[in-house]
Amino acid sequence: SQTIHQWPATLVQPVGSPLSLECTVEGTSNPNLYWYRQAAGRGLQLLFYSVGIGQISSEVPQNLSASRPQDRQFILSSKKLLLSDSGFYLCAWSAVRWGAGELFFGEGSRLTVL
Amino acid sequence: QQQVKQSPQSLIVQKGGISIINCAYENTAFDYFPWYQQFPGKGPALLIAIRPDVSEKKEGRFTISFNKSAKQFSLHIMDSQPGDSATYFCAAISTLLQGAQKLVFGQGTRLTINP
Repeated sequence: SQTIHQWPATLVQPVGSPLSLECTVEGTSNPNLYWYRQAAGRGLQLLFYSVGIGQISSEVPQNLSASRPQDRQFILSSKKLLLSDSGFYLCAWSAVRWGAGELFFGEGSRLTVL
Repeated sequence: QQQVKQSPQSLIVQKGGISIINCAYENTAFDYFPWYQQFPGKGPALLIAIRPDVSEKKEGRFTISFNKSAKQFSLHIMDSQPGDSATYFCAAISTLLQGAQKLVFGQGTRLTINP
């Protein structure tokens, strides 16, 4: 069965410091990978998605970047964090290409920027 | 329009009652409609999903009703239990460039089941 791992689970960082959140998927190959952000008490906003190694698409302009160095690894980064980057970050994967299919989410990483 | 509108924002139901959450969408390009359940501090978990060519789907105590002409769909939780207390998100999926899926979420409903 497929599993998705995300770490760290919790992170407290000062403004201006770098960020690296990592996500890996097991049990599947060539998945679509996604990074979402959830503001407190609200729905999720798609930040980045990737359909293959080195292929990154951004949905919203922001202070963050994403990379996919391996087939099942997705990394969310920032060179200098802003207060507004605080939030709950979720990695997700899906198996379907060019069709309707479910997304499966990781446990999330809670980032607090002070 | 990429929005999915969800109501109510919060809902309190007595144990054993029926919980009903409603969603509406505008974009006819959406081709799959999942519901997610999220507990505090956890990622959303897929609960049940429906395609637009089906009017109803039932899995255990959970039922999705879908009205394509009205662009509305709803989640019914029968015999609601305290363990069902969570935030529920409706969503709609469309296809992104390169074939990935874009999940557009509703605003969420915080459901509380009183024992």
